[in-house]
Amino acid sequence: AQSVTQLDSQVPVFEEAPVELRCNYSSSVSVYLFWYVQYPNQGLQLLLKYLSGSTLVKGINGFEAEFNKSQTSFHLRKPSVHISDTAEYFCAVSDRGGSYIPTFGRGTSLIVHP
Amino acid sequence: GAGVSQSPSNKVTEKGKDVELRCDPISGHTALYWYRQSLGQGLEFLIYFQGNSAPDKSGLPSDRFSAERTGGSVSTLTIQRTQQEDSAVYLCASSLARAGQGDTQYFGPGTRLTVL
Repeated sequence: AQSVTQLDSQVPVFEEAPVELRCNYSSSVSVYLFWYVQYPNQGLQLLLKYLSGSTLVKGINGFEAEFNKSQTSFHLRKPSVHISDTAEYFCAVSDRGGSYIPTFGRGTSLIVHP
Repeated sequence: GAGVSQSPSNKVTEKGKDVELRCDPISGHTALYWYRQSLGQGLEFLIYFQGNSAPDKSGLPSDRFSAERTGGSVSTLTIQRTQQEDSAVYLCASSLARAGQGDTQYFGPGTRLTVL
């Protein structure tokens, strides 16, 4: 079984500042990792995912994340945020193979102030 | 193309009543998931359908919850004798491939259920 911990429930930041949203996971097998974003009153949509290969993954809207196997982390970063990035961000993990349903973290609310 | 749709978008019911929530997945997606999202609790897995296989019901919180998927497409989540703790947003997602393959999940906008 896998689990996900998002260390910050809320991250306030000023517009144009950099941001990092933290995600740690645990699993006994190799994993796939995901970041989803949920804008107010909408469903979740994929930002980026790590399947294999390069540990630095680039996604939509200027976001990127780095898979660190030794630290079991998959932190999300953006060098300069916009007001429109205000949303809830969810990290998810899925064990490779079998029928493993993705497990989601509790979410991090990113609040971008002008 | 059309995304995942859910209906109704909002449902207010009285304690003890039964409710049905509907999900229309993306055409051709074989996998369908139901999640429950409560404030500050993230997404709680409820049930997973994959093709014609028996569903994974391991996340259903009680026997008041059930779901079916007809013809490998539309799914209905039924909650019987609703309780106030059932109040939440119920999200449906679909994906092209089976779980465990790293495929992207596509989410609907959710149904907000309020039990008075």
